[in-house]
Amino acid sequence: EAEVAQSPRYKITEKSQAVAFWCDPISGHATLYWYRQILGQGPELLVQFQDESVVDDSQLPKDRFSAERLKGVDSTLKIQPAELGDSAMYLCASSFQGGGVVPLDEQFFGPGTRLTVL
Amino acid sequence: DQQVKQNSPSLSVQEGRISILNCDYTNSMFDYFLWYKKYPAEGPTFLISISSIKDKNEDGRFTVFLNKSAKHLSLHIVPSQPGDSAVYFCAASRDDKIIFGKGTRLHILP
Repeated sequence: EAEVAQSPRYKITEKSQAVAFWCDPISGHATLYWYRQILGQGPELLVQFQDESVVDDSQLPKDRFSAERLKGVDSTLKIQPAELGDSAMYLCASSFQGGGVVPLDEQFFGPGTRLTVL
Repeated sequence: DQQVKQNSPSLSVQEGRISILNCDYTNSMFDYFLWYKKYPAEGPTFLISISSIKDKNEDGRFTVFLNKSAKHLSLHIVPSQPGDSAVYFCAASRDDKIIFGKGTRLHILP
């Protein structure tokens, strides 16, 4: 069964260091999402890609966070420098079309990367 | 300002009984409402959805009810099983944007 892959599953880093997370969406899915889930909260969208283009990064802290999906397939989310408040689960999701083409385009989530910043 | 609210952080239900998880929302422009289930160390998985023009959707043991006038929806699980123990996220969708609530942790007691 097709799944969204993420790595690493766990990452511990010290504040001010750089970290990077990788996501490989389900094959053929045009839309890719990065979410951040803080403990006790629901996932919050950080950035959304349609193919290789960013369509929504309004909630991405751009002074320290960056995301790319150069070939429109897999994606990398980077934090530099990491801060204590960045400790969270980073979830990647993908959907077949996105863009509001269909009324409800199911998002499939990966297992997430749990980041701990010390 | 939370657009999707789950006011119960946790809920314990006896196995075999009905589990009812509640959710409130503030934005009347949402097209769909969804429930996701999340086990520890896994990503959320889609459970069931309901269109904003419907008031009920049923899928096996899971039924979602929507009360638009009250801006309230609920998920009913009947009968509750041990494998239902998880965190349940209520979510609302417009176009391809999903907004999640904080989640309710459901414990199914033996």
